[in-house]
Amino acid sequence: EIVLTQSPGTLSLSPGESATLSCRASQSVSGTHLAWYQQRPGQAPRLLIYGASSRATGIPDRFGGSGTGTDFTLAISRLEPEDFALYYCQHYDNSLYTFGQGTKLEIK
Amino acid sequence: QVQLQESGPGLVKPSQTLSLTCTVSGASLTSGGYYWSWIRQHPEKGLIWIGDIYHTGNTDFNPSLKSRISISIDTSKNHFSLTLRSVTAADTAVYYCARDTASRNGLDVWGQGTTVTVSS
Repeated sequence: EIVLTQSPGTLSLSPGESATLSCRASQSVSGTHLAWYQQRPGQAPRLLIYGASSRATGIPDRFGGSGTGTDFTLAISRLEPEDFALYYCQHYDNSLYTFGQGTKLEIK
Repeated sequence: QVQLQESGPGLVKPSQTLSLTCTVSGASLTSGGYYWSWIRQHPEKGLIWIGDIYHTGNTDFNPSLKSRISISIDTSKNHFSLTLRSVTAADTAVYYCARDTASRNGLDVWGQGTTVTVSS
């Protein structure tokens, strides 16, 4: 089973700054099935990025995904107040979805 | 616009069976092309995928839960359901239903979630 490890656990930034979130897989994976989600307090997760780098419908271009193999990144530019939330990476392989443990993006 | 809505008991006693239903609106479960999942999130914890079902009735399950779960689909009512047997306090969580495409591009539609507490 592939394990996804996200870092950092918590990222403290100010509005207007840029954020870089990391997701590392325990073995090389296909980026085709690598996704990122945002979860605000009290809400369900929302798909941001699929296929490692494609934005989901309605997601602003401030959000960008990249990476291959074992290392994937979610970059968020010009942070807005609503961006401060939890972020999860997720991979699908061999009939199993796995999620990273999450990164909390908090206001500094 | 596709919407998912979970329903079921908020409180279940230990050793009993939990049953949840996800009602789909804005799309037909008979049309195919999507996988319908259950995911749970323990309090202040991360996300755990439970399993999914295709409109044909084919299912996949998380190996860690496989012995206790079943997922079914009722296309006449346009809903799918989760059954979790022999629950314990460790099954206390928010349960979400969600949709993915046949290409497994990511869970693009989620229900709002329903909180289930296992307690006597």
